[in-house]
Amino acid sequence: AQSVTQPDIHITVSEGASLELRCNYSYGATPYLFWYVQSPGQGLQLLLKYFSGDTLVQGIKGFEAEFKRSQSSFNLRKPSVHWSDAAEYFCAVGAGNNNDMRFGAGTRLTVKP
Amino acid sequence: EPEVTQTPSHQVTQMGQEVILRCVPISNHLYFYWYRQILGQKVEFLVSFYNNEISEKSEIFDDQFSVERPDGSNFTLKIRSTKLEDSAMYFCASMQSNYEQYFGPGTRLTVT
Repeated sequence: AQSVTQPDIHITVSEGASLELRCNYSYGATPYLFWYVQSPGQGLQLLLKYFSGDTLVQGIKGFEAEFKRSQSSFNLRKPSVHWSDAAEYFCAVGAGNNNDMRFGAGTRLTVKP
Repeated sequence: EPEVTQTPSHQVTQMGQEVILRCVPISNHLYFYWYRQILGQKVEFLVSFYNNEISEKSEIFDDQFSVERPDGSNFTLKIRSTKLEDSAMYFCASMQSNYEQYFGPGTRLTVT
């Protein structure tokens, strides 16, 4: 069965600093991979997705992620964090014809002024 | 831009009562899902629905849960006899066939 691990529960970065959120997945076949962001009390917004092709994918709000099959990873990056990026970030893997998704536990991002 | 909608935004119910959470998926989508998120925890898959039947369900989705697409536009999740531990945010999602799910804003269910 597919599963997702986000090793970092909480990360704090200074505004303007770079960011990398880690995600490792477990799935036997080629996974569909996603990053979602959730602000407090809000729903889930898709940042980016990987299905196939170029392993470096660009998303909204200046985020990017790189799929590394050898490491079973799909880490999210942003070169310069803004205060508005403070939120909870969830990595997810989808599988099968229905793309039933399994989410990681999330990483809470705090941005210091 | 089309979006998934959910009603109500917040539902309060007493333990043992039945609740129905409603979702209107995006109109040309074919796959439908329910997820839940207990406060402070991760989003958990409950069930997927395609071609008028359940495709997959998790171990959370026991006999107390059921889903229905009664009229071709709504997609509902029923909990027959709510328990305190059913308190959570419930998200509906829909997908066309491009493997990108669109999530609704969620219904917060509080069981007292």
